Amino acid sequence: NAGVTQTPKFRVLKTGQSMTLLCAQDMNHEYMYWYRQDPGMGLRLIHYSVGEGTTAKGEVPDGYNVSRLKKQNFLLGLESAAPSQTSVYFCASSYVANTEAFFGQGTRLTVV
Amino acid sequence: AQSVTQLGSHVSVSEGALVLLRCNYSSSVPPYLFWYVQYPNQGLQLLLKYTSAATLVKGINGFEAEFKKSETSFHLTKPSAHMSDAAEYFCAVRRGGGNKLTFGTGTQLKVEL
Repeated sequence: NAGVTQTPKFRVLKTGQSMTLLCAQDMNHEYMYWYRQDPGMGLRLIHYSVGEGTTAKGEVPDGYNVSRLKKQNFLLGLESAAPSQTSVYFCASSYVANTEAFFGQGTRLTVV
Repeated sequence: AQSVTQLGSHVSVSEGALVLLRCNYSSSVPPYLFWYVQYPNQGLQLLLKYTSAATLVKGINGFEAEFKKSETSFHLTKPSAHMSDAAEYFCAVRRGGGNKLTFGTGTQLKVEL
């Protein structure tokens, strides 16, 4: 079982460049999430989705956009990357709100 | 609003000693609580969860946690640490009926010989 798959695993961007991170899950989960992980700050929620076609802002949404056109995919976009967006990004999914979330392996993004 | 506080960003124990990682939560309604473990360069893996059934929850790898409403705590314990337990541990809370899963800042566990 693949579970939650994130693409790419590593990326280096120049300031001002754009990119899209892809998250795919094969568990038919309704809920999907994007987090960023920074040293000493734990995981902070960027955006989340409670179903196909829906998205909502989390704690730190500025500078990011998301889309959930298909139930199994959740895309995170950076329109104009900044060094402050250097981080490890994790995607997660859960069946419904009150169940545990399953995580992908992460994307390490460096913005120079 | 809901939040999670993990006391101690770094904890060091000897192999065979008790592991105690602390987590306190705040939630306006009964919460769902989780402990996750993260090994280096990997994603997060669920250790255990509390979903309003038994207050003492047993998880994988010999870990357990006790939900104490009066203390708003959900501390993680393991009777005897093993070298393979060295990792970062995260406590997380979801407000009952809520959509967001909020994480603490994590505790790095070091196990020494």
